[in-house]
Amino acid sequence: AQTVTQSQPEMSVQEAETVTLSCTYDTSESDYYLFWYKQPPSRQMILVIRQEAYKQQNATENRFSVNFQKAAKSFSLKISDSQLGDAAMYFCAYRTADTGTASKLTFGTGTRLQVTL
Amino acid sequence: KAGVTQTPRYLIKTRGQQVTLSCSPISGHRSVSWYQQTPGQGLQFLFEYFSETQRNKGNFPGRFSGRQFSNSRSEMNVSTLELGDSALYLCASSLAWGRRNEKLFFGSGTQLSVL
Repeated sequence: AQTVTQSQPEMSVQEAETVTLSCTYDTSESDYYLFWYKQPPSRQMILVIRQEAYKQQNATENRFSVNFQKAAKSFSLKISDSQLGDAAMYFCAYRTADTGTASKLTFGTGTRLQVTL
Repeated sequence: KAGVTQTPRYLIKTRGQQVTLSCSPISGHRSVSWYQQTPGQGLQFLFEYFSETQRNKGNFPGRFSGRQFSNSRSEMNVSTLELGDSALYLCASSLAWGRRNEKLFFGSGTQLSVL
């Protein structure tokens, strides 16, 4: 079974600074997807960024980028120019590429990000 | 386009009762999945429905069940509620099922408290 580990329960960053959230995972599969989701106080899970395991290039979405190290099974999220609206719980998630289980995500325990002035 | 709508937002029940939660997917989406979120166990997959058929099931007891209607709306039911069922129940929808590149869109959840 796959597992996802987030070792940082809480992180803090000053506005306009850069912060990196860590995630490691364990799987025996070679084809899979990795995600970072944001859950603000509204409780809705919002997709931040997605990485396909077979793609060498790290995914980027505006101020958000990932460092995907497949051999090390590491998937960190870097938030640049942090904004107050970035404050939320961030979850790392794994999904096999098996099309029969495309909606079955395995989540980490989350990292609460605080953004200070 | 409206997002995933879950009703009710909050629910309080007592042990032994049963509860039904509702999820309306994004218009045009035909697949619905459910997740349970608790402080202790985190986010766990419950089940997934597509074309009114359960396609996947997580590791939950039979007290947890669901169904999907012809308009793709889904309900989940928990019978004989236990204190440990207190959780945020999240619903997610996607366009179809069985596609490699499927994207999930989540609702804001139903917060269930069992007293």
